[in-house]
Amino acid sequence: QVQLVQSGAEVKKPGASVNVSCKASGYTFINYFMHWVRQAPGQGLEWMGIIKPSAGTSNHAQKFQGRLTLTRDTSTNTFYMELRGLRTEDTAVYYCAREGRDIDNSDNWFDPWGQGTLVTVSS
Amino acid sequence: EVDMTQSPATLSVSLGEGATLSCRASQSIGTNLAWYQQKPGQAPRLLIYRASTRATGIPDRFSGSGSGTEFTLTITGLQSEDSAVYYCHQYDSWPPWTFGQGTKVEIK
Repeated sequence: QVQLVQSGAEVKKPGASVNVSCKASGYTFINYFMHWVRQAPGQGLEWMGIIKPSAGTSNHAQKFQGRLTLTRDTSTNTFYMELRGLRTEDTAVYYCAREGRDIDNSDNWFDPWGQGTLVTVSS
Repeated sequence: EVDMTQSPATLSVSLGEGATLSCRASQSIGTNLAWYQQKPGQAPRLLIYRASTRATGIPDRFSGSGSGTEFTLTITGLQSEDSAVYYCHQYDSWPPWTFGQGTKVEIK
């Protein structure tokens, strides 16, 4: 079955960087776009970015431009999300979420989701 | 950017009763809408896609309807395990992909 397993919780100081991983299994890695979504405590879902695993190209939400890098490693079927210049308001659970259909289909829902990684930014 | 607005923010429903959740898009999105259920400490789970298609394993007491800008998620015969926050998500006009702010369903 399709599984997305994320790395463990992180505690970072303001100004630092964090790298969250998402290991995919149970499907052909390069055939599905992967998204990153975050959720601040008690808040809703916020889309951050998307990566095309075959080419490694990505697109980010405007608010994260310059701070967010999405990468992938096709040898280990793992995606990575790096967020730099952390602020206290970046405290959130970060999710990877695969598109529900493969790259030959546009306009896709997200399914499944990783279990989430809590990133706490505090001095 | 397509803004998604959900109502109500909180819905209190008795066991066995029905619940109707609404989601409105700021522009027409056809039927490119999904619903997710999120329980405390868990990741969102896909319930409905294409506005009305149930995802694999989702009980038939969950149903979705609507097109264009108005959408509804209906839960019939509410069970205790349905207590959760429900989010709508548009995937028609992107980037960005956008979500509603959520409706919390609680048991009365």
